[in-house]
Amino acid sequence: AQKVTQAQTEISVVEKEDVTLDCVYETRDTTYYLFWYKQPPSGELVFLIRRNSFDEQNEISGRYSWNFQKSTSSFNFTITASQVVDSAVYFCALSEGTSGGSNYKLTFGKGTLLTVNP
Amino acid sequence: NAGVTQTPKFQVLKTGQSMTLQCAQDMNHEYMSWYRQDPGMGLRLIHYSVGAGITDQGEVPNGYNVSRSTTEDFPLRLLSAAPSQTSVYFCATSRGTGNTIYFGEGSWLTVV
Repeated sequence: AQKVTQAQTEISVVEKEDVTLDCVYETRDTTYYLFWYKQPPSGELVFLIRRNSFDEQNEISGRYSWNFQKSTSSFNFTITASQVVDSAVYFCALSEGTSGGSNYKLTFGKGTLLTVNP
Repeated sequence: NAGVTQTPKFQVLKTGQSMTLQCAQDMNHEYMSWYRQDPGMGLRLIHYSVGAGITDQGEVPNGYNVSRSTTEDFPLRLLSAAPSQTSVYFCATSRGTGNTIYFGEGSWLTVV
């Protein structure tokens, strides 16, 4: 069975600090996909990134960066120079790629509430 | 979240009432699913569909029914609402394996 663990329930930082959100996953599939979603106070789920299990390259998008390490089953998310608008709940999620009928379903972590204070 | 429309956005039900949450998408995605979000639990899969006429149960299906008569629509029915079904419900769609999964804006349901 697949599982996603976000050990950090809440994180509070001051604006302009860098912050890393941890995500550890478990799966028996060799093909799988990892996602990060942002849920701002307004409640919608905003897609941030998708990464497949064969691509371990780190990715940077503006102030956001992701570090995928298969050796430690981790897919961590770093926000550089955080801003108040980054305050949200962030979810890491996993979908398995080979199990018939389940290869598009997401298993979510419980989320990390990030508060960026001015 | 353009392309995935959920209605209603807010609803209050009395215990035992029935209702349907609507989900419509215009992206021609084959895969659709319903999740519920509860405090401290993340999102959990209720039911899903891989195409018109095909549905299956997810992690927490009890108390909910679904049908998929068209590619565009995937309604979620609560047959006899219970307070335990108070939650935020999200509809999601995807083109297929490994593709981005897009979510609707959510439906806040309270059962009293």
